[in-house]
Amino acid sequence: KAGVTQTPRYLIKTRGQQVTLSCSPISGHRSVSWYQQTPGQGLQFLFEYFSETQRNKGNFPGRFSGRQFSNSRSEMNVSTLELGDSALYLCASRIGGTGELFFGEGSRLTVL
Amino acid sequence: SQKIEQNSEALNIQEGKTATLTCNYTNYSPAYLQWYRQDPGRGPVFLLLIRENEKEKRKERLKVTFDTTLKQSLFHITASQPADSATYLCALEGAGNMLTFGGGTRLMVKP
Repeated sequence: KAGVTQTPRYLIKTRGQQVTLSCSPISGHRSVSWYQQTPGQGLQFLFEYFSETQRNKGNFPGRFSGRQFSNSRSEMNVSTLELGDSALYLCASRIGGTGELFFGEGSRLTVL
Repeated sequence: SQKIEQNSEALNIQEGKTATLTCNYTNYSPAYLQWYRQDPGRGPVFLLLIRENEKEKRKERLKVTFDTTLKQSLFHITASQPADSATYLCALEGAGNMLTFGGGTRLMVKP
């Protein structure tokens, strides 16, 4: 069974640009969560989608948004990038709305 | 406010010894607690889940305890090996089934 797949793995953007990250969950998993990881802040929860509905949202500005499609694949978008948005963005899926998370390898974003 | 605290200092131990990592939390009433392992540049990998009505859970060389009175979980790795060197994260599920992670503790096992 394929794991959680995130694309792209690495990307470099400049301030003010926007970026879209993609996540394909494990087949059959209906929940997708996104986390931002930085050395100083650790793993910070961004949002969770379950059956195409946003179920939870972390404490991030409105520049961070996401969506989930009917096939459970998810995308997150960050607009008007800032230097502080440089981080490893991790996507994780789980079968239902609770329980263990299965993480992808992450998308490392560098903002110059 | 809700807090999950793990020792931010690295834990250095000798191969063969037992490593014990601590996770303390406040203002949570979690139904369960999870532990993950993360290697540099990789996503976290799930290790163990323990429910509030379970005092202890074991899996091979791993053992987790959960004390809801003390609001603390202990994670033990017995007969530690250099390959166990990694960052270990605890996570609690709060309102809305949202999973929140602690800052992690880096374990270094020296041969």
